[in-house]
Amino acid sequence: EVHLVESGGGLVKPGGSLRLSCAASGFTFYTYTMNWVRQAPGKGLEWVSSITSVSTYIYYAASVKDRFTISRDNAKNSLYLEMNSLRAEDTAVYYCARDPPDWNGFDYWGQGTLVTVSS
Amino acid sequence: DIVMTQTPLSSPVTLGQPASISCRSSQSLLHSDGNTYLSWLQQRPGQPPRLLIYQISNRFSGVPDRFSGSGAGTDFTLKISRVEAEDVGIYYCTQGTQFPRTFGQGTKVEIK
Repeated sequence: EVHLVESGGGLVKPGGSLRLSCAASGFTFYTYTMNWVRQAPGKGLEWVSSITSVSTYIYYAASVKDRFTISRDNAKNSLYLEMNSLRAEDTAVYYCARDPPDWNGFDYWGQGTLVTVSS
Repeated sequence: DIVMTQTPLSSPVTLGQPASISCRSSQSLLHSDGNTYLSWLQQRPGQPPRLLIYQISNRFSGVPDRFSGSGAGTDFTLKISRVEAEDVGIYYCTQGTQFPRTFGQGTKVEIK
């Protein structure tokens, strides 16, 4: 069974940094593209970043480019999101989501971790 | 960026009655590989999103057959043949044809 478990969220001041992690299990992690998607309180879904299986290709939303860095450690079955220069508008639940093997989209999602940026 | 527009934004439905949600993309979702990467997600209250339908009309594992998807190009529809209480939530369409990946605004399905 596919499991994705995010961690690392919390309260951080504007301008601060935070590192999110996503622990994956139940599938061959190193063969899948992985994603971060966020959801601000009471709002819709916003794609944040994607990384291909061996980190060959990395993509970012314009809203986080140059501030956030996605990475993965296939030996540890883990996905990461390094977030710097955080702003109030980055406050959201951050979900880790898997890309399926043979089509583009999101097939499995974690439960999410809440990031709150506030002074 | 591809803009995804859903209608309606709210859909009060009587139990046992059908529901339909429309999703329109600002450009064709037909990928150069010949596939159309349009999928539908369901988000129940307090839960993460869950995949319902992928590539327009394919039901994901474990999804009841009362959910169906259709469409092509820029116009897509999610239908629930007979709404059940557990179907309450927000439904999102999303495209995987190009980056950035984008989502519709969400359609809230509630029971009348």
